Amino acid sequence: DAKTTQPPSMDCAEGRAANLPCNHSTISGNEYVYWYRQIHSQGPQYIIHGLKNNETNEMASLIITEDRKSSTLILPHATLRDTAVYYCIVRVARAQGGSEKLVFGKGMKLTVNP
Amino acid sequence: GAGVSQSPRYKVAKRGQDVALRCDPISGHVSLFWYQQALGQGPEFLTYFQNEAQLDKSGLPSDRFFAERPEGSVSTLKIQRTQQEDSAVYLCASSPGTEKNEQYFGPGTRLTVT
Repeated sequence: DAKTTQPPSMDCAEGRAANLPCNHSTISGNEYVYWYRQIHSQGPQYIIHGLKNNETNEMASLIITEDRKSSTLILPHATLRDTAVYYCIVRVARAQGGSEKLVFGKGMKLTVNP
Repeated sequence: GAGVSQSPRYKVAKRGQDVALRCDPISGHVSLFWYQQALGQGPEFLTYFQNEAQLDKSGLPSDRFFAERPEGSVSTLKIQRTQQEDSAVYLCASSPGTEKNEQYFGPGTRLTVT
């Protein structure tokens, strides 16, 4: 799986949008971008994933650049409960022989301040 | 509905003891994963089951680590002759096995080897 690069930490004010960047310059054409987060003392939680189109769900939006070398996870109205470590992961789709496992890096610590 | 549960939540073992960690996945989920998370690091893959078949055990760090899922539901991770370097949080995740590959994580078992 391709490697991703995230800044180690970021702060955000409560109620504002949090834009979390991720670089994946060596991503292959058949690799998806996944985002998970891990709140302190809990297991990781799936947020969203995408291939090349922008995606939105009830938790967040995922913006992938046209060249797919980077992406941004957007939390539109950050709350204190969004304070967590966020992981950006790339992996090949199952249908194309991708491994089921997730390869986590160190992630990025987002702190939402009141 | 019930999520992934793990027991015990905390385990203290003396060096050299054997331990068994249990995972109850979400009912009906065909895929089950074990990850190890050291302090300050992202989770690292240990092993993966599809139903009762262990399809990937490439992440198990030594032959002291053994995992099973005999009936395709509950899984046990066993560590024999524990060492201090085995101290970590052990996370279990399950997935319905769809293309989305959304993995649902349990709260983890924190193992401390003294």
